Amino acid sequence: EVQLVQSGAEVKKPGESLKISCKGSGYSFTSYWIGWVRQMPGKGLEWMGIIYPGDSDTRYSPSFQGQVTISADKSISTAYLQWSSLKASDTAMYYCARHGGYCSGGSCYRGDWFDPWGQGTLVTVSS
Amino acid sequence: QSALTQPASVSGSPGQSITISCTGTSSDVGGYNYVSWYQQHPGKAPKLMIYDVSNRPSGVSNRFSGSKSGNTASLTISGLQAEDEADYYCSSYTSSSTSYVFGTGTKVTVL
Repeated sequence: EVQLVQSGAEVKKPGESLKISCKGSGYSFTSYWIGWVRQMPGKGLEWMGIIYPGDSDTRYSPSFQGQVTISADKSISTAYLQWSSLKASDTAMYYCARHGGYCSGGSCYRGDWFDPWGQGTLVTVSS
Repeated sequence: QSALTQPASVSGSPGQSITISCTGTSSDVGGYNYVSWYQQHPGKAPKLMIYDVSNRPSGVSNRFSGSKSGNTASLTISGLQAEDEADYYCSSYTSSSTSYVFGTGTKVTVL
């Protein structure tokens, strides 16, 4: 079964740093892109960025470029989302999700959807 | 980039059909057949319902169907059931930032 399991809820103060994780299992982690999505309280979904764990190629939404860092450690099948200095406005649920596109045998195949999704990590930033 | 536009809410009685629209531009919905739809129940992670405009993943009920005309994509739920009550989001690839954009979300209520 393809599964993404995210790290637990976090409560932080403004200015603190944070790194949350997303561990993939049940598939070749290095062959599929992983995306991150923000959902602020009572609001809709916002696409943040995406990483290809095979070579750490990373793309960011213009809205999140410079605000967060997406990384991956393929040796432990885990993707990360991190902040160097949190703000109260970073309070949200954060989801990781596997992108539909993948690479295999030297060829890459397009798949512009996200499935499955992790269970979400709630980040609360408050003084 | 701006979010795709969806109606805030749509409602219907059990057994009826409803349609949710998702309007974008020629840089996203209208330019590519890369529209997907997600269902989100309260407190749960989103679930993929439709990909590439009209394809259903394995395990998704055939009561869900997708289509597109010009810059507007649509999700139709036929034979509405109580379990369909949820928030629905569309998403599209966008060339304006070589990334993805979500819709504003639609709350579906089963009367």
